Amino acid sequence: NAGVTQTPKFQVLKTGQSMTLQCAQDMNHEYMSWYRQDPGMGLRLIHYSVGAGITDQGEVPNGYNVSRSTTEDFPLRLLSAAPSQTSVYFCASSYSRGVKPQHFGDGTRLSIL
Amino acid sequence: KQEVTQIPAALSVPEGENLVLNCSFTDSAIYNLQWFRQDPGKGLTSLLLIQSSQREQTSGRLNASLDKSSGRSTLYIAASQPGDSATYLCAVISGYSTLTFGKGTMLLVSP
Repeated sequence: NAGVTQTPKFQVLKTGQSMTLQCAQDMNHEYMSWYRQDPGMGLRLIHYSVGAGITDQGEVPNGYNVSRSTTEDFPLRLLSAAPSQTSVYFCASSYSRGVKPQHFGDGTRLSIL
Repeated sequence: KQEVTQIPAALSVPEGENLVLNCSFTDSAIYNLQWFRQDPGKGLTSLLLIQSSQREQTSGRLNASLDKSSGRSTLYIAASQPGDSATYLCAVISGYSTLTFGKGTMLLVSP
């Protein structure tokens, strides 16, 4: 049981490049979400999904796209990377609304030059 | 908009002390509250989950309480150890299983 797996663990991009951060869970969780963690700001919600085919925006969605074609996968796409998107990105999943603990991946550390 | 505040921001104690970390939130309409631990450069590890209908949860040396009406939670760590050194994050769930986090308490336990 791998839990929540994020790839890559580290990435350096140039301004304007695009990329996809991968997130996969093997626990058959309905809910998945993406957060970014910045010094002094804490963790903030980017996008979330309540099931395959259903996504919605969180607190800081600008510059990011998501889709959820399967229960297992929830990729996060950076459309045109900007230095302000330098951050640590975490993916999380859970069974249902607040009944069970949220599980987090180990994070992707992203630097935009 | 839900806001979560954690006090203190940093705490340094000698080994063996009992300590309390505080968390407050502005909107009492929550589904649950979760405490996490984060080691430097690592992901989040869930410590305790308290449902909105519960008053407290215990796991080993950890005890978390919840007073939903006053918007407060505390994490009590008994007999602290150097291995407890980490950042402790409080998060509330209100809505579609999404979390609102505090900024954390950085704990250092000295031998």
